[in-house]
Amino acid sequence: EPEVTQTPSHQVTQMGQEVILRCVPISNHLYFYWYRQILGQKVEFLVSFYNNEISEKSEIFDDQFSVERPDGSNFTLKIRSTKLEDSAMYFCASRAGTSGSYNEQFFGPGTRLTVL
Amino acid sequence: AQSVTQLGSHVSVSEGALVLLRCNYSSSVPPYLFWYVQYPNQGLQLLLKYTTGATLVKGINGFEAEFKKSETSFHLTKPSAHMSDAAEYFCAVSAPPRTAGNKLTFGGGTRVLVKP
Repeated sequence: EPEVTQTPSHQVTQMGQEVILRCVPISNHLYFYWYRQILGQKVEFLVSFYNNEISEKSEIFDDQFSVERPDGSNFTLKIRSTKLEDSAMYFCASRAGTSGSYNEQFFGPGTRLTVL
Repeated sequence: AQSVTQLGSHVSVSEGALVLLRCNYSSSVPPYLFWYVQYPNQGLQLLLKYTTGATLVKGINGFEAEFKKSETSFHLTKPSAHMSDAAEYFCAVSAPPRTAGNKLTFGGGTRVLVKP
């Protein structure tokens, strides 16, 4: 069964460093998402991406964040200069987006980011 | 704007007993409603969804949920708990898909413990 994969499963970084979280969405999907979950808090929407551009972003997704689909298979989230409060589990999701009935979002297993 | 409230961050049930997880939502547009389950070290898996039509929806693993517009609720039930139901459950809402975004707004999650 097709699935969304994410690498690495755990990333430890120093405050101020850049990190790139990688996702491989399901191959025929058209819509891509990043969410995050700070320990003990809700899963929060960060950004959605369609047709090679951001379609919606939350107030969390400031200038320190960027997304890219560099090669038609990977979908990346970059944090330019990490802060302690960026420590969280980051989930990637993808959706088929075909016309007709609603298409669910399929989630990856997440990357746990720890900023020291 | 949309929001979701899940009553009870932890629920303990005996094996064979009824599982009831409560979810209330707020939405300015007709909501699409979802329940996701997360097993340890895994991503979010869709249990069931309500989009339009029948208000009682059945999902995987014997779960079902009923959309009650008058109560703004979407409670999840399973008649008889199994040990394998131990996991965290998330209720989520989105707007109908008219745009490419279609983000999910999650509740805080309910962790279910099943006692033998």
